[in-house]
Amino acid sequence: DARVTQTPRHKVTEMGQEVTMRCQPILGHNTVFWYRQTMMQGLELLAYFRNRAPLDDSGMPKDRFSAEMPDATLATLKIQPSEPRDSAVYFCASGGQGALGNEQFFGPGTRLTVL
Amino acid sequence: KQEVTQIPAALSVPEGENLVLNCSFTDSAIYNLQWFRQDPGKGLTSLLLIQSSQREQTSGRLNASLDKSSGRSTLYIAASQPGDSATYLCAVRRNAGGTSYGKLTFGQGTILTVHP
Repeated sequence: DARVTQTPRHKVTEMGQEVTMRCQPILGHNTVFWYRQTMMQGLELLAYFRNRAPLDDSGMPKDRFSAEMPDATLATLKIQPSEPRDSAVYFCASGGQGALGNEQFFGPGTRLTVL
Repeated sequence: KQEVTQIPAALSVPEGENLVLNCSFTDSAIYNLQWFRQDPGKGLTSLLLIQSSQREQTSGRLNASLDKSSGRSTLYIAASQPGDSATYLCAVRRNAGGTSYGKLTFGQGTILTVHP
């Protein structure tokens, strides 16, 4: 069945290293969202795309985070350099064609630990 | 700025009970509201989506209601089962044009435990 996939599922890295997380949205979905979940802040929207174009990345620390969609089947979230405070679970979600009000479907997440 | 609050933060009930989870939001200008379930260490599973023009949505033992004017939604779970144990999150989608459209604001969730 159709679902959002994310890789890697777990990542442990040292402070200062580059981290790249990948997401494959559900085939045919044209909106992609990146969220971060921590115990303290809960779920926060980092960025989202429609038809591969970034619409809003105001939730993302611009100096170290970047999000791209090289093609319709791949979204990436990169952190460079990573810091311990970036430790969280990062979720990707996709939504169907049409209005941005469509239901969002989440991937299993990437659990990032920065030492 | 939209704020979403969920009450209670945690709930423990015996199997078979009917229960209600509450969600409130400060800005009533929403496009829709979505309820999710999250199992430990897993992603979010969409349960129900209620459009702002709707009053309720039902799926199996789940019923979600929406009172947009008062900024409230409830998720009703009938005949609860141990398999319902999870964190339940509500999220509202802003009704506005431009780049804010589509953005979900989440509550902190209600941790539900249903014991046999």
